[in-house]
Amino acid sequence: GDSVTQMEGPVTLSEEAFLTINCTYTATGYPSLFWYVQYPGEGLQLLLKATKADDKGSNKGFEATYRKETTSFHLEKGSVQVSDSAVYFCALIHSSNTGKLIFGQGTTLQVKP
Amino acid sequence: EAGVAQSPRYKIIEKRQSVAFWCNPISGHATLYWYQQILGQGPKLLIQFQNNGVVDDSQLPKDRFSAERLKGVDSTLKIQPAKLEDSAVYLCASSLAGEGIQYFGAGTRLSVL
Repeated sequence: GDSVTQMEGPVTLSEEAFLTINCTYTATGYPSLFWYVQYPGEGLQLLLKATKADDKGSNKGFEATYRKETTSFHLEKGSVQVSDSAVYFCALIHSSNTGKLIFGQGTTLQVKP
Repeated sequence: EAGVAQSPRYKIIEKRQSVAFWCNPISGHATLYWYQQILGQGPKLLIQFQNNGVVDDSQLPKDRFSAERLKGVDSTLKIQPAKLEDSAVYLCASSLAGEGIQYFGAGTRLSVL
């Protein structure tokens, strides 16, 4: 079945460092891919999405490119801030599965000043 | 625009007791989801409603979990009787029918002792 795998956390960075969180997926066809973020004490928020191969999703300085050939959707940011500290979830929706989101296990990011 | 509302935020019960969670989706959103998020894991879909009909409940433990969405708006999720392994955050999400972006509530954190 469809699945999403993320890099293990926690990831600890200093402010202004470069961030990469790896995400790979297993699915037939062409799923839509998402990154959600969960700040402490809050619900999941959509960060960015991409719906077809080579699409780049971007928001708040974060970017991710849908790579069909490597089945990946890695999240990147050039300069992280303390306020980016949160748990990041990679997820997919397969066009044939009624809209159910399938999530990775989440990666905790801690940014230190 | 008001977001997805959930209550209560926290609940502590003893095993074998019953508990209910409530969700009010974003106005006009026809699709409603309940996810279970166990600590350290990504959310897993329990049940999906389209208006007041069930679309997917394949991962709902039907011997103890039940959910309803009367009048196609609010929804309740019930657990009876609860087990220790039901300790988790229960997330409600909603989306426009046929649209991929799901909006999440803050969740209900359940502790079963």
